[in-house]
Amino acid sequence: SAVISQKPSRDICQRGTSLTIQCQVDSQVTMMFWYRQQPGQSLTLIATANQGSEATYESGFVIDKFPISRPNLTFSTLTVSNMSPEDSSIYLCSVEEVRVGHYGYTFGSGTRLTVV
Amino acid sequence: DAKTTQPPSMDCAEGRAANLPCNHSTISGNEYVYWYRQIHSQGPQYIIHGLKNNETNEMASLIITEDRKSSTLILPHATLRDTAVYYCIVTPGGSQGNLIFGKGTKLSVKP
Repeated sequence: SAVISQKPSRDICQRGTSLTIQCQVDSQVTMMFWYRQQPGQSLTLIATANQGSEATYESGFVIDKFPISRPNLTFSTLTVSNMSPEDSSIYLCSVEEVRVGHYGYTFGSGTRLTVV
Repeated sequence: DAKTTQPPSMDCAEGRAANLPCNHSTISGNEYVYWYRQIHSQGPQYIIHGLKNNETNEMASLIITEDRKSSTLILPHATLRDTAVYYCIVTPGGSQGNLIFGKGTKLSVKP
């Protein structure tokens, strides 16, 4: 499986500021995804980031709030803009991989964001 | 919305088999059943998947009913490290972009 490095692992930020989360993969992957996990909740997909094209956002998520970059096949960033306490969550990146007989999904360990 | 229904929580004694049920009564013919788990403060981890047949790997076994409307994940000898939230996910085969997570089952393995 791909190995994903996500930075920072955690941060405490002031409301109104922005945080950029980095996701580095040890192999080239076509599809990368960003998820949000609010406290005590399950994972919700924010957007799909394919190299060379604009990210595709899920309902309820907009580019102005969560801009995403995907400059190459091993790296992506998610920015959480103009943060409020409601943005306090774990943010995870994920990649799709071709495995024997199926497509698998590997996740990073997440970025735990607290907005104060 | 997630296409699966799972009990919110289960307990299991250490060393015993943990049987986690999942209902997916609206599953389509081309959809697979995937299981992931999320140990506290970590990203989800792939466990196993199947289409029609029962499957076994080094982590677990997956039993899918003949009508494919439900399945059971079996951890044959649960350990304390298996304490986690287990997610049953139904998704089309092939590259389809993302996983839709339901609420999952919180499994607590007790000494």
